[in-house]
Amino acid sequence: DAKTTQPPSMDCAEGRAANLPCNHSTISGNEYVYWYRQIHSQGPQYIIHGLKNNETNEMASLIITEDRKSSTLILPHATLRDTAVYYCIVRVAVTTDSWGKLQFGAGTQVVVTP
Amino acid sequence: GAGVSQSPSNKVTEKGKDVELRCDPISGHTALYWYRQSLGQGLEFLIYFQGNSAPDKSGLPSDRFSAERTGGSVSTLTIQRTQQEDSAVYLCASSLFRFRDRDSGNTIYFGEGSWLTVV
Repeated sequence: DAKTTQPPSMDCAEGRAANLPCNHSTISGNEYVYWYRQIHSQGPQYIIHGLKNNETNEMASLIITEDRKSSTLILPHATLRDTAVYYCIVRVAVTTDSWGKLQFGAGTQVVVTP
Repeated sequence: GAGVSQSPSNKVTEKGKDVELRCDPISGHTALYWYRQSLGQGLEFLIYFQGNSAPDKSGLPSDRFSAERTGGSVSTLTIQRTQQEDSAVYLCASSLFRFRDRDSGNTIYFGEGSWLTVV
């Protein structure tokens, strides 16, 4: 599976957009980009995922470059409750040969400040 | 609907004792996963169930660890003769299992975990 590279930490001001980068230069055509976050002492929370196109839901937007080698998770209006570790994961599509193992790296520790 | 439910939420046990951790997946989810996270560490995959079978148990760290799933629903993770290095939060997750991911049918949802402390 392709690996991802994320900055270890970043700060963001409350009310501003938070842009979290992720590099996945060896991603394959059948691999999706998933984002999860983990607030302290809680289980990981699914945020969003995409294959090629940009995606948006009630939590965030996911921008994937045309060559798919990198992506950005955007939290449009960060709040203090968005302080968490954010994981960018490349996951093989579920097929008859693969169950799509979810492998977590170190993630980015995002701290939202007042 | 209800999310993934795990019990106990906290467990303190003495070294050498056996422990059982329980997971109730989201209703209708055929796939179930166990992960663990030691203090300050990343999430480590343990085992994956599809129905009652475990096609991938490659992450179980030793033969002291075992897991089963019955009725395609509830799963139990058992740790025998616990050691201090087993102290961690054990996370269970579940998902549907569809070959077309576009409809988010394969998104994996996690529970809040069972915190295990071996003293």
